[in-house]
Amino acid sequence: LAKTTQPISMDSYEGQEVNITCSHNNIATNDYITWYQQFPSQGPRFIIQGYKTKVTNEVASLFIPADRKSSTLSLPRVSLSDTAVYYCLGVGYNNNDMRFGAGTRLTVKP
Amino acid sequence: NAGVTQTPKFQVLKTGQSMTLQCAQDMNHEYMSWYRQDPGMGLRLIHYSVGAGITDQGEVPNGYNVSRSTTEDFPLRLLSAAPSQTSVYFCASSSGMGYTFGSGTRLTVV
Repeated sequence: LAKTTQPISMDSYEGQEVNITCSHNNIATNDYITWYQQFPSQGPRFIIQGYKTKVTNEVASLFIPADRKSSTLSLPRVSLSDTAVYYCLGVGYNNNDMRFGAGTRLTVKP
Repeated sequence: NAGVTQTPKFQVLKTGQSMTLQCAQDMNHEYMSWYRQDPGMGLRLIHYSVGAGITDQGEVPNGYNVSRSTTEDFPLRLLSAAPSQTSVYFCASSSGMGYTFGSGTRLTVV
């Protein structure tokens, strides 16, 4: 299972773009990179998943370079409601043995 | 659709008591997992299942049992509750990409 490393915390301001980088030097060939968001007192919510290059959905973009040793979650124009903990995980094809790290606590300020 | 339903939402147990945390999903997902989350920490995987009749251990399985007799249900049993099992427990399910989490069960063992 890939061990991931993320910054413990980040601060941003409303309207800015936020990029959270995750390191996963030992990611397996078959692993996908998956990001979750968690608000206080709630379960995590799936944001985005990718294998390589760039993936975009209505919430975020995920950039994975060719060597796949890191990835960057990009949140465009954040708002106060984006204040949450963001988790990066390397997961196998079936996503059936996911291990969460400590995550990145993002605080968006007015 | 209800998604992933966990019951109860809150529970207080005395040391040595046993109980079952219920988890049900109505999305016909093959994969289901149980996590615990201690204050200020990331989630830790307890047990997971890749289909009815198949379960496996995660990071912290000691003190917990699971079974998967149907696709819909994945109960977690605490055999003899200990104060160290005080935590928030999350159940999650997936069909292969991205897990849907329940709202959690907050368990206190006194």
